[in-house]
Amino acid sequence: DVKVTQSSRYLVKRTGEKVFLECVQDMDHENMFWYRQDPGLGLRLIYFSYDVKMKEKGDIPEGYSVSREKKERFSLILESASTNQTSMYLCASLPSTGNNSPLHFGNGTRLTVT
Amino acid sequence: ILNVEQSPQSLHVQEGDSTNFTCSFPSSNFYALHWYRWETAKSPEALFVMTLNGDEKKKGRISATLNTKEGYSYLYIKGSQPEDSATYLCAINTGTASKLTFGTGTRLQVTL
Repeated sequence: DVKVTQSSRYLVKRTGEKVFLECVQDMDHENMFWYRQDPGLGLRLIYFSYDVKMKEKGDIPEGYSVSREKKERFSLILESASTNQTSMYLCASLPSTGNNSPLHFGNGTRLTVT
Repeated sequence: ILNVEQSPQSLHVQEGDSTNFTCSFPSSNFYALHWYRWETAKSPEALFVMTLNGDEKKKGRISATLNTKEGYSYLYIKGSQPEDSATYLCAINTGTASKLTFGTGTRLQVTL
């Protein structure tokens, strides 16, 4: 089974801090994604990566950046955390063998910015 | 941005009831539809990936149908059990770089 591991289940950070959310997958998947989930809204795509050192903006990239230095790891960076970035963050991975494959998700990181 | 709508937003049923939810999407540029189940404190789990008009898929007591011409999919649960309590997410892939656009989900609660 594919395992997608997010480094923290819960995080509390202060406004203005630089925050790193880490995600590691163990199945050699080419594609990795960062979503956020807020009440009343669907999962919204922040950034995704289809290969090492490659990244593309999703629907809501403002205030975020990403890093993909190794295939198995995809990091989401909040350059200067703000209260409106309080959310549940989900990482996912997908093989490149076609768009008919499902996403494999991590357990999520619930981030609170105070 | 693609608009994927799910209804109802939430649903409360008794154990043993059968139920269904709807996912609506624009029928143009359709490539695939995904259904996921997301239980509290767990990661979303894939139920089905569907691509063909008229497709029907089944997994135990859960089944789904797809109509790509009119832009909707139904998810059915037969004989609901408390362990079916979860948020059910629908997502659409338009074939662009594996990106999925999600609906807001249907939250199902099954009580004894």
